[in-house]
Amino acid sequence: NAGVTQTPKFQVLKTGQSMTLQCAQDMNHNSMYWYRQDPGMGLRLIYYSASEGTTDKGEVPNGYNVSRLNKREFSLRLESAAPSQTSVYFCASIGGAGETQYFGPGTRLLVL
Amino acid sequence: GQSLEQPSEVTAVEGAIVQINCTYQTSGFYGLSWYQQHDGGAPTFLSYNALDGLEETGRFSSFLSRSDSYGYLLLQELQMKDSASYFCAGNSGSARQLTFGSGTQLTVLP
Repeated sequence: NAGVTQTPKFQVLKTGQSMTLQCAQDMNHNSMYWYRQDPGMGLRLIYYSASEGTTDKGEVPNGYNVSRLNKREFSLRLESAAPSQTSVYFCASIGGAGETQYFGPGTRLLVL
Repeated sequence: GQSLEQPSEVTAVEGAIVQINCTYQTSGFYGLSWYQQHDGGAPTFLSYNALDGLEETGRFSSFLSRSDSYGYLLLQELQMKDSASYFCAGNSGSARQLTFGSGTQLTVLP
């Protein structure tokens, strides 16, 4: 049981390049989330998916798109990366009746 | 919308008790959660309050007062490994979304 996994762990992009951050969970959770965390700040919700086939915008969705590929996988895409998107990106999931979100190890993204 | 305020830094000595406060302004908020994050790591769940009062989990306790829009995390018998960032987060929405505060950096001194 790996929990929540994210790839890649670290990425450097040039301004204007695109990339997709991958997230998968093996806990059979319905809801999944993407957050970004800037230095010295809390996590901010980018997008979330309440269940397979649905996605919704969070607090800071501009510049991002998501895909809930199936129940396990939720990807985040940057179509044209900007330096302001330099951050650490965390994926999380929640399941059952509880309120515990389980986080992946994060992807550290640097946009030059 | 939601906003949560918490102190940026707290320092305490090993074995002591520390309280991290969180005040919030929110709409559609049904609970308050607490997460711990060590440097560079993933946040991990500590505690959740849906109702007013105290929830106790080992050395950690969390309190919520809805009428005061206030909560706190209490850490007892502090250990060096408790040095980390602590975040309060408001729970909302049908998808149980979280809105995080900016975090409190706790430093435990020997």
